[in-house]
Amino acid sequence: QSALTQPPSASGSPGQSVTLSCTGTSSDVGSYNYVSWYQQYPGKVPKLIIYEVNKRPSGVPDRFSGFKSGNTASLTVSGLQADDEADYYCSSYAGNNNLVFGGGTKLTVL
Amino acid sequence: QVQLVQSGPELKKPGASVKVSCKASGYTFTRYPMNWVRQAPGQGLEWMGWIDTNTGNPTFAQGFTGRFVFSLDTSVTTAYLQISNLKPEDTAVYYCAKSRWGGDWIDPWGQGTPVTVSS
Repeated sequence: QSALTQPPSASGSPGQSVTLSCTGTSSDVGSYNYVSWYQQYPGKVPKLIIYEVNKRPSGVPDRFSGFKSGNTASLTVSGLQADDEADYYCSSYAGNNNLVFGGGTKLTVL
Repeated sequence: QVQLVQSGPELKKPGASVKVSCKASGYTFTRYPMNWVRQAPGQGLEWMGWIDTNTGNPTFAQGFTGRFVFSLDTSVTTAYLQISNLKPEDTAVYYCAKSRWGGDWIDPWGQGTPVTVSS
């Protein structure tokens, strides 16, 4: 299976909202509501922030929200804060007990 | 709480083998799959596959067949990743991570094991 497509970079100013996209195919994102998002700071372990398209694990601020339409999923970060600056990866179930990640988006807070 | 603790950094020469361990605690080990994820320097996350901790049956992602082995020692709730015939391009941080079932979202993650392959 091919990696999901994410823009390499995105940016926004503090307080703004930014939306990160994640494009797959009808074999992964388009077929299953098992899209998840991970936040990773440099040199740190990835952290799950969204699962099953739009659910947040305990402790994740509601500034993070997920959505899916067709073959594209998105992560919106509202009220941008300095510590939202990180790499964000999407992933999706891809059938046959397989998982696929996106290439990641580096979010810069201006 | 659920915790995954991995073995320490490895420095290996090309052609050698490496075995990374992932000690699980805080849950019933054999109920949930263990995934392996690779992250090369400056690169993104690559899902390598998972092992059914109940049966020991592995599933490998494309590109991770042949030199990669997933194994278990359920008596010590530990999963292992072994890579043989190491190549410089295997230099990466390797993470283990738990999921509810094969292909599902993965959480939590181990702290990562850096493997460096260099002559």
